[in-house]
Amino acid sequence: EVQLLESGGGLVQPGGSLRLSCAASGFTFDSSAMSWVRQAPGKGLQWVSAISDGGGSTYHADSVKGRFTISRDNSKSTLYLQMNSLRDEDTAVYYCAKPSWALLGPVDYWGQGTLVTVSS
Amino acid sequence: DIVMTQSPDSLAVSLGERATINCKSSQSVLYSSNNKNYLAWYQQKPGQPPKLLISWASTRKSGVPDRFSGSGSGTDFTLTISSLQAEDVAVYYCQQYYTPTWTFGQGTKVEIK
Repeated sequence: EVQLLESGGGLVQPGGSLRLSCAASGFTFDSSAMSWVRQAPGKGLQWVSAISDGGGSTYHADSVKGRFTISRDNSKSTLYLQMNSLRDEDTAVYYCAKPSWALLGPVDYWGQGTLVTVSS
Repeated sequence: DIVMTQSPDSLAVSLGERATINCKSSQSVLYSSNNKNYLAWYQQKPGQPPKLLISWASTRKSGVPDRFSGSGSGTDFTLTISSLQAEDVAVYYCQQYYTPTWTFGQGTKVEIK
């Protein structure tokens, strides 16, 4: 059974940093591209970042470019999102997402999400 | 970036009636090399992550009721719920995965009239 378990969310002040983790199991992690998608309270889904299976290619939304960094440790089957210089508008539930085929496939598995609240 | 626009933002449909949601992309999401549309539909209920319903514009995921269907090609797509059930109350999103920088529609809230 595929499982994606996010952790690391919480309350942080504007300008602060957090690192999210997504522990994966039930599939061959090092053969799967991964992404982060977020959802602000009461709002829609917004893609944040993506990484290829080997980690050699990464992509970030313009709204987080230069502040967020996606990475992975295939030996630990874990995906990360380092978030720096956090802003109020980064407040959201962050979902770990596994596409069915590289990064050009639909998301067939989602984690339950971890809430990040940026507030003073 | 490819912009995805859904319509309407919300709709109320009687139980057993048809619900239709439209999604338009700012550029084609049809790959000519394989003739596939890189378009998915998701259902999201409160407090839950999204759930994949339809991929490749019209391929229903295993286990999804056949009252859900997807159609369209290029830039214009439709999700149809042929006979709305109470458990279908949710927000529905379209998504393009034509590029690694995915984009989602703004969502359509479906309610019971």
